[in-house]
Order: sequence, then C-alpha cells, then structure tokens
Amino acid sequence: ETGVTQSPTHLIKTRGQQVTLRCSSQSGHNTVSWYQQALGQGPQFIFQYYREEENGRGNFPPRFSGLQFPNYSSELNVNALELDDSALYLCASSLAASGGVFTDTQYFGPGTRLTVL
Amino acid sequence: AQRVTQPEKLLSVFKGAPVELKCNYSYSGSPELFWYVQYSRQRLQLLLRHISRESIKGFTADLNKGETSFHLKKPFAQEEDSAMYYCALSKSGGAQKLVFGQGTRLTINP
Repeated sequence: ETGVTQSPTHLIKTRGQQVTLRCSSQSGHNTVSWYQQALGQGPQFIFQYYREEENGRGNFPPRFSGLQFPNYSSELNVNALELDDSALYLCASSLAASGGVFTDTQYFGPGTRLTVL
Repeated sequence: AQRVTQPEKLLSVFKGAPVELKCNYSYSGSPELFWYVQYSRQRLQLLLRHISRESIKGFTADLNKGETSFHLKKPFAQEEDSAMYYCALSKSGGAQKLVFGQGTRLTINP
C-alpha cells in the first residue's frame, strides 16, 4: 500500500505567477482534500474533490482551483500568486463509501512548501 | 462559526508526568472531533477520533459537549510523545473539511 505523495517538495515563485501542485492519493482512496498551512498555524481547508468534482470548498478565492483525475490523483492550481500564499500545502486522501459517505480517516501527504517572493 | 481553539502553543512537561493538551471548539450541531499528531520530520497523522473511544499510545480524549471541549490526556508522558498536536473537527458523519486548531507543541523533558 502506497501512501499519499506530493510534488514538488519545494517551490519558489514570484508574485503574479501561477503554480500547479500535484498529489497522488493513497492506493484505494477516491477522495482528495487540499489544505493550506501558514507558518505557525493549523491547516486550513481549501477544497475537496470526489469523483472528479469539487465537493466542498473553504474560504478561499476563485484563483485557487483544482482538478481530480480518473486515477484519483489531483492538482491544486493557484493563479496570480500573492505573498500571503506562501505556505505549506497539504493533500489528504480518504475513501468515500458509495453514495458519497465521507466517514473515513484522511491520510496526509508530506506537503509542498511554496514560497512567493 | 466553526472554530477550534488550542490555548497553549507550547507545553513542556517532564517524563513520567501527566499530560493534558487542551482543545475547545465552537460548532452549531454535533461535530466529530479528532486529534492529529506530527512527529519531527514526519507527516501529519491521525492520533485518535472521539467516535472510536480508543486509547492510542496511552492517550485518551473525552468529548465534553457541555464544556465544548476535547482535551487530550496521558497519565505518564514519554520522551517519544514530543511532537506537534492538532485538534480538529468536522461535521458529524463526515470526515471531510477538517477545521484545525493552531496546534500545541509538546516537549517531554528527560
């Protein structure tokens, strides 16, 4: 059983640029959630994807968008980067039962450290 | 509004002493509560969830709906318990959209 993986590990961008972060879910999982963790803070929910559709979104602007692919891997895209977007971005996968019952534990990846200059 | 508050950013205790990490929450309804832990150089992982009523690595947590608290306790701290601990909640029956507290860094002194 393989765990959640994320790429890249670290990334440096400049203000105004766009970035794509990637996540491969744990084997057998069909749901991916993304979190932003600013320095010294707890993770903050961005959105969740289930069956390739967004299934819940936190308080983040539309320039944060995502995708989920048929193999359940996922991307997080951030446009028009701002300095405050500098954070650790965590991906978590879980297994939703049929009918979209989300009771399973979320398993986290190691994160991608994004620095915006 | 959903909120999780961990009042202590840092907590330091001696090995063998009891540990209590505090967590208070606000939520309209019946949430599900979790404790996540992050050991040095490791990823965030689930320690326990209130519906399981388990003791994991000697830790327990009881949901007190009257005081809206979910404090994490261990009677005898061990050095390997040193880590970052996060309390989190989600809506009942759904382990999605976790709302996390700011975390407490626990240090166990020898």
